[in-house]
Amino acid sequence: RKEVEQDPGPFNVPEGATVAFNCTYSNSASQSFFWYRQDCRKEPKLLMSVYSSGNEDGRFTAQLNRASQYISLLIRDSKLSDSATYLCVVNEANDYKLSFGAGTTVTVRA
Amino acid sequence: GAVVSQHPSWVICKSGTSVKIECRSLDFQATTMFWYRQFPKQSLMLMATSNEGSKATYEQGVEKDKFLINHASLTLSTLTVTSAHPEDSSFYICSASAVSSYNEQFFGPGTRLTVL
Repeated sequence: RKEVEQDPGPFNVPEGATVAFNCTYSNSASQSFFWYRQDCRKEPKLLMSVYSSGNEDGRFTAQLNRASQYISLLIRDSKLSDSATYLCVVNEANDYKLSFGAGTTVTVRA
Repeated sequence: GAVVSQHPSWVICKSGTSVKIECRSLDFQATTMFWYRQFPKQSLMLMATSNEGSKATYEQGVEKDKFLINHASLTLSTLTVTSAHPEDSSFYICSASAVSSYNEQFFGPGTRLTVL
């Protein structure tokens, strides 16, 4: 079983739409959670950390559900520039290792 | 701040040759550097973790004699793919973290290796 699993998508949405997707993780001891964005043939870039209480950064909202071991990302008012692959990333306490999901591809169309 | 560079950005080589990839932290001291590999449509897979001045720790299934890692200074780590074969063709990405940035890893732009 993979440590981090994501729906690969793709999610094809029109500009202005809201899109949301989840990620599940297998290790209940995981302590830190992140969403990264990866554009085609580029390195991952940190989009936002995910906190227990949920957090928002502009049009992006992240939620963490420890009981069910999943993380979600919601993008409001989608822009063309939001088209990318979104990687769910998890790591355990006191461990610098990051476990990556395979990514969820989002395509925003005009 | 927190810029990580990789060189080369892409390389094409013949089967059997060795390829060296450099990872540099440009504006901070990286106590730990990580090497990942990513195949198309797959997640980044950690290959090894290296701390400056000590031997790298390899993940299960990664051959340490094939993927040589050197972390000789706080700003430079190198990955050498020895006797490369077509199945080694992949996107290799390094990341670096500093003592002051617990958990945060800064990624290099990646190196695309194609072995003919």
